[in-house]
Amino acid sequence: EIVLTQSPGTLSLSPGERATLSCRASQSVSSSYLAWYQQKPGQAPRLLIYGASSRATGIPDRFSGSGSGTDFTLTISRLEPEDFAVYYCQQYGSSPTFGQGTKVEIK
Amino acid sequence: QVTLKESGPVLVKPTETLTLTCTVSGFSLSNARMGVSWIRQPPGKALEWLAHIFSNDEKSYSTSLKSRLTISKDTSKSQVVLTMTNMDPVDTATYYCARITRVLDAFDIWGQGTMVTVSS
Repeated sequence: EIVLTQSPGTLSLSPGERATLSCRASQSVSSSYLAWYQQKPGQAPRLLIYGASSRATGIPDRFSGSGSGTDFTLTISRLEPEDFAVYYCQQYGSSPTFGQGTKVEIK
Repeated sequence: QVTLKESGPVLVKPTETLTLTCTVSGFSLSNARMGVSWIRQPPGKALEWLAHIFSNDEKSYSTSLKSRLTISKDTSKSQVVLTMTNMDPVDTATYYCARITRVLDAFDIWGQGTMVTVSS
């Protein structure tokens, strides 16, 4: 099973700042199979990025994904108030797994 | 509009079997490019993938829970059913079903989730 480790656990930032979230895999992951989700309290997760760098339908271009192999990054270029949430990376191999999440909170 | 909706008991007792149903609309379970997964989330914790099923009846299960899970589908009813045996308080969680599309290889549409508590 591929273990995904996200860092940092919590990111404290102000609106307008840039957020950089990391996801490291225990073994190489095909870029085609790496996704990012956003989850707000009391809500289901929402797909943001698939294929490591492709934005899902309706996702603003301030969200971008990059990386390959074992290291992947989600970047939010300028935080909007609605972006404060928990973010999960996920790999879709034969047995999908999620990271433990990064909480982006208001500083 | 594509939607998924979970249904099932709110409370189950330890050792009982949990049966959850995901009813989908806006797409067909016979679509070769799509499948449905079950994913759970204990309170305050991370997401955990449980199982998936595709149109050709291809199934896959979480390695750690495989012995306790069964996933099936009824295409005519647009439903995917997950059973989990021998429930334990650690299985208390919100259970989500989500659509997988092979084009994206990601969970693109999620249900609202259903909270299941395991307690005597």
